[in-house]
Amino acid sequence: KNQVEQSPQSLIILEGKNCTLQCNYTVSPFSNLRWYKQDTGRGPVSLTIMTFSENTKSNGRYTATLDADTKQSSLHITASQLSDSASYICVVSSGGYQKVTFGIGTKLQVIP
Amino acid sequence: NAGVTQTPKFQVLKTGQSMTLQCAQDMNHEYMSWYRQDPGMGLRLIHYSVGAGITDQGEVPNGYNVSRSTTEDFPLRLLSAAPSQTSVYFCASSYSAGLGEKLFFGSGTQLSVL
Repeated sequence: KNQVEQSPQSLIILEGKNCTLQCNYTVSPFSNLRWYKQDTGRGPVSLTIMTFSENTKSNGRYTATLDADTKQSSLHITASQLSDSASYICVVSSGGYQKVTFGIGTKLQVIP
Repeated sequence: NAGVTQTPKFQVLKTGQSMTLQCAQDMNHEYMSWYRQDPGMGLRLIHYSVGAGITDQGEVPNGYNVSRSTTEDFPLRLLSAAPSQTSVYFCASSYSAGLGEKLFFGSGTQLSVL
C-alpha cells in the first residue's frame, strides 16, 4: 500500500528561525512529489514539485530536496515569518490523479 | 481571479438529510475532484472527473454522488447524511489529469452531521 509519512506532526519555532520538515514515502512507481501549504480554513496551495531527477529546488525562502534512492524529501524554511504558520502537506504521485497519496501534514506555528 | 469556488462554507445536517456541495472553477480545467479531510488522515479522494460527462470513483465514494454536465461545475451530493460524513470537503481542479499535475483547491466546506 502506498504511504506518505511526515514528521514532525507539529512544530513551534520563533520568528526568524529556520526549520526543516520531513517526508518519507513508500509509493511505487514514483512520478513526482509536491509540497503544499495549507493555511487554517483554506485549501492547500502548491509550493513546489520535485521530479525523479531533481535533488534540490527553491521557491523563495522554501527549499525542497529529494533523495529518490532513500525515498525521502525535506522542506526547509529559511528566516521564518508569522505568515509561514500553516500545515505543510507532502503529496506523492505515482500516475494519474487516482494514484496520488497525501501525507497527514506537519503543522507549523511561528511565534513572535 | 476566482479560481475554485465552493459553497457553502459551513453546513450542519441531521442524519438522513440530503444536500449538495457546490464547486465551480473558472480556469477551464479539464480535471475536477472531491476530497475529504479528516483529523489524523491525509486528504482522501471521493470522486473525480476528467471532463464533462465523465466521472469515476475514488478511494471513498460510498454515500456520495457526482455529475459533471459542464466543464465549470462539479457538485457533490450526499444522498442520506450519516455522522461518519462529518468532515471538511475540498474541491480541486487541474489543467489535465496528467502525471502529478498541480491541484488548485477551493477553500473547503466544513460539514457536521448530527
